[in-house]
Amino acid sequence: DQQVKQNSPSLSVQEGRISILNCDYTNSMFDYFLWYKKYPAEGPTFLISISSIKDKNEDGRFTVFLNKSAKHLSLHIVPSQPGDSAVYFCAARTGNQFYFGTGTSLTVIP
Amino acid sequence: EAGVVQSPRYKIIEKKQPVAFWCNPISGHNTLYWYRQNLGQGPELLIRYENEEAVDDSQLPKDRFSAERLKGVDSTLKIQPAELGDSAVYLCASSLWDTENYGYTFGSGTRLTVV
Repeated sequence: DQQVKQNSPSLSVQEGRISILNCDYTNSMFDYFLWYKKYPAEGPTFLISISSIKDKNEDGRFTVFLNKSAKHLSLHIVPSQPGDSAVYFCAARTGNQFYFGTGTSLTVIP
Repeated sequence: EAGVVQSPRYKIIEKKQPVAFWCNPISGHNTLYWYRQNLGQGPELLIRYENEEAVDDSQLPKDRFSAERLKGVDSTLKIQPAELGDSAVYLCASSLWDTENYGYTFGSGTRLTVV
């Protein structure tokens, strides 16, 4: 049972444009959400997070939006840069347990 | 500060052979996780430790997989005997309850290939 879903396996965006990565979840008990970025041959690295009591968190070029009623999470990257090309995983937490989506591979075209 | 350290980075073994992975978490992190990640999939939890206690091992195939976390610090994950379907990246992560985002950090993983 996949509690966290990323329905787009891949996304291509022109450099300088906005990248929007989406994530849906089913468990209303999730209270914390995270985005991770993964380069080939490396482990996932933490990017940005949001608590369930907020609907937006911004860190530089990265903004995460949370719509609890829709159980939907999105990551906006603007402007996108070639170095942002990676696989992005969303994760959700309940208790001390984390659940991960299957990832979206972002390619930023120079 | 050193991150989560895993070794080896790569391992190729024949089926039916044993294999072990090692993880050194971030100093002070009380929670340690072992995940398995198949190609094109997200990490799937195998086992979670709170200090030296395994508090969630429901997804660990106990007939062939075992894990231990001595003294609540380093951890090893063992497969014996390995099967072809065990080929995957094995990720270790650690976290600490009282830090924002729990300081949840992954290691670089061990890529296992069973031939």
